[in-house]
Amino acid sequence: GAGVSQSPRYKVAKRGQDVALRCDPISGHVSLFWYQQALGQGPEFLTYFQNEAQLDKSGLPSDRFFAERPEGSVSTLKIQRTQQEDSAVYLCASSPLQGSGNYNEQFFGPGTRLTVL
Amino acid sequence: RKEVEQDPGPFNVPEGATVAFNCTYSNSASQSFFWYRQDCRKEPKLLMSVYSSGNEDGRFTAQLNRASQYISLLIRDSKLSDSATYLCVVNPHSGGGADGLTFGKGTHLIIQP
Repeated sequence: GAGVSQSPRYKVAKRGQDVALRCDPISGHVSLFWYQQALGQGPEFLTYFQNEAQLDKSGLPSDRFFAERPEGSVSTLKIQRTQQEDSAVYLCASSPLQGSGNYNEQFFGPGTRLTVL
Repeated sequence: RKEVEQDPGPFNVPEGATVAFNCTYSNSASQSFFWYRQDCRKEPKLLMSVYSSGNEDGRFTAQLNRASQYISLLIRDSKLSDSATYLCVVNPHSGGGADGLTFGKGTHLIIQP
């Protein structure tokens, strides 16, 4: 079956440009997560959705970062006025059930590699 | 102090050898623990969950020591295909809330023929 897909796979932006990164989770998955992975680092949590509700955005590094999931399926991570330190791989993950203290495996997409010049 | 710490390596190990990785975590209230594997330029994939009683999956054994806040992964009879980055992962939330994972930086393993 289809896994998590992300587009574009690669994005080069000039400093100051706005970018939008898309995530298509596995069909029917309730939970959706965004992570940022800088070179040589582990993924860092950005934000979490349960259906269309954004329940945790504590990891978003600044107000230039905005995420939405309006219909509870596809999600978009938007970065405004990109800066060089935004260069990273942005990973999306989905899991089948809502957070409940019982872990549900998170399935990761291939990521979008963003390079800001 | 980083929430999850692990030795980045690289660990260069001959094929067939046994190798062990460790990591420590700072949040004593953490509830769930995992090892993820990440191949170069690929997404992380769940390798195994880690339980207090210890658990084994083929050549892989994971252990959790809650008192010391310490997690380990042992790989026996290592294969060339085991070459990857191994990420120590903690779910800090106790339920009812977000389950965003906390990752270590990863330990890079290279199995040599």
